[in-house]
Amino acid sequence: ETGVTQTPRHLVMGMTNKKSLKCEQHLGHNAMYWYKQSAKKPLELMFVYSLEERVENNSVPSRFSPECPNSSHLFLHLHTLQPEDSALYLCASSQGVGNIQYFGAGTRLSVL
Amino acid sequence: QKEVEQNSGPLSVPEGAIASLNCTYSDRGSQSFFWYRQYSGKSPELIMSIYSNGDKEDGRFTAQLNKASQYVSLLIRDSQPSDSATYLCAVKGEGSNYKLTFGKGTLLTVNP
Repeated sequence: ETGVTQTPRHLVMGMTNKKSLKCEQHLGHNAMYWYKQSAKKPLELMFVYSLEERVENNSVPSRFSPECPNSSHLFLHLHTLQPEDSALYLCASSQGVGNIQYFGAGTRLSVL
Repeated sequence: QKEVEQNSGPLSVPEGAIASLNCTYSDRGSQSFFWYRQYSGKSPELIMSIYSNGDKEDGRFTAQLNKASQYVSLLIRDSQPSDSATYLCAVKGEGSNYKLTFGKGTLLTVNP
């Protein structure tokens, strides 16, 4: 398998649930990102990891918790989300922070 | 606050015509510029990157950059219905090692 793979593709959760989004990149990159994409809004950068170290937390609420166990995997742990957190969550990777980013297909999240 | 502005559209062109997509940015020190295409329900994919003033051509696509005017554009020649998508402009600012700032995107519709 090539590129950036995200699972699940769709997720519906209640406000009290705990779930995790998974991202895996097969490109040999050393930087990974989480973005949020809401309707009619620009892509919002949430977190950046470089060589498994978090280099940016872009004022994201603590109900979103990222984890990067190695350079190929990135998780986003979710708990006690709000309905306004419903969005498309995109993972991306690049070789070197800030260089051309390649995106996964995204996880469409609905919070009820 | 670094901003990237795009006309949200929709921009509608007939098949075979030239589609012109425009983007302005606020950070005068920006150095790298990217165009991504995003089909409905899909993730963004890179089309073009441009780093210096002038034109860069790749097949039917031409990116144009004017740093003095803080303006970058994407021309699509011989537009095809398969070009119908949202086009995202992304800008990497000076000194910003990892953050791409995305515009909201322009929806392009190519009519057969």
